[in-house]
Amino acid sequence: QEKVQQSPESLIVPEGAMSSLNCTFSNSASQSIWWYQQHPGKGPEALISIFSNGNKKEGRLTVYLNRASLHVSLHIRDSQPSDSAVYLCAVSFYQGGRALIFGTGTTVSVSP
Amino acid sequence: NSKVIQTPRYLVKGQGQKAKMRCIPEKGHPVVFWYQQNKNNEFKFLINFQNQEVLQQIDMTEKRFSAECPSNSPCSLEIQSSEAGDSALYLCASRSGGAGEQYFGPGTRLTVL
Repeated sequence: QEKVQQSPESLIVPEGAMSSLNCTFSNSASQSIWWYQQHPGKGPEALISIFSNGNKKEGRLTVYLNRASLHVSLHIRDSQPSDSAVYLCAVSFYQGGRALIFGTGTTVSVSP
Repeated sequence: NSKVIQTPRYLVKGQGQKAKMRCIPEKGHPVVFWYQQNKNNEFKFLINFQNQEVLQQIDMTEKRFSAECPSNSPCSLEIQSSEAGDSALYLCASRSGGAGEQYFGPGTRLTVL
């Protein structure tokens, strides 16, 4: 059974600071790793995905993937109060139509 | 912004009752997923479809849960006999072909009393 674990469970950062979130997964044969953002009362919304080892940058987001250590991290530069949400790491596998396996999330609170 | 529509947003049932929820995927998305998210943020994949065909489903789904995605009608997920442990947010997501992003609806929050 594939597992996805996230740390920390919660994070409080001041406005303008960097938010750093971690995720480990159990199977190096995973396809893509996704980061989703979920606000209260809403469904998850995809932020960024990565497949290959290395890093990928999109706007204020940077994600780093190391398949050898089964670790991926998300960094949000210049955090804003609107970034306050639950961040979910999700891994997809080719089998079964690429259903996602989610971690239990990191709750980020950005204080003005 | 996601255009996946889920109805109803809230559903309250007694134990043993049927609970049915619906999903209209984004236009042009042939792949539909159902997930269960509990109050501890634990997600469980339930079933997925490509067009009207089941791709994969977990054991739980095979017993008390049934789902379908008929052509030209909303997809649906039905729990035949609700249990307290079924109280959760049920999320529908859709995707175009390939390995792209899954777009989620706002979910149906089921409470089983």
